[in-house]
Amino acid sequence: DSGVTQTPKHLITATGQRVTLRCSPRSGDLSVYWYQQSLDQGLQFLIQYYNGEERAKGNILERFSAQQFPDLHSELNLSSLELGDSALYFCASSPGGDQPQHFGDGTRLSIL
Amino acid sequence: GENVEQHPSTLSVQEGDSAVIKCTYSDSASNYFPWYKQELGKRPQLIIDIRSNVGEKKDQRIAVTLNKTAKHFSLHITETQPEDSAVYFCAAALWGYGNKLVFGAGTILRVKS
Repeated sequence: DSGVTQTPKHLITATGQRVTLRCSPRSGDLSVYWYQQSLDQGLQFLIQYYNGEERAKGNILERFSAQQFPDLHSELNLSSLELGDSALYFCASSPGGDQPQHFGDGTRLSIL
Repeated sequence: GENVEQHPSTLSVQEGDSAVIKCTYSDSASNYFPWYKQELGKRPQLIIDIRSNVGEKKDQRIAVTLNKTAKHFSLHITETQPEDSAVYFCAAALWGYGNKLVFGAGTILRVKS
């Protein structure tokens, strides 16, 4: 158990819909990172927050957005879903920017 | 931006043999190189990492070496066991500037007993 909690574990929805993935970092960790893992793209960095502020952005689609709340949990919002958005979405956390990242168990998103 | 290449894509070894996985990175400014192990359907798990001011690091049967000049780093697993079978990912990051990890494509390691 990494201490990073992600909910839900599985999500099945249809094209065009919107979903929210939730992540609670390890106790004491201020940084939250979101990654997407798919068969064709591998593990891709999406976005990072540090203590409520966006710190770094990767190849995150405009249809995707995220935020980190005062209690440090983070949410990743995916809208206008397409079949290609089907993937495993991982959240990772670290105490600060220069510390190892530990991953949660992920949310498996399936678009029908 | 940073690009990480990983080889081989699959590796089969006999139990007890050694396994070596190699990665090359493109951005000479990268200064942090972790390795993650991912079992089927599970989360990536950090197994070892190295910073650019160190050339080698060891943890029991696992070691990582870094050659900054050539911009490559390698994972060495000795005395492999069936439970070492998994997908291994290398990554590179520039600590101090957000620490986003850029991953290699992964290596499927199969340890045959």
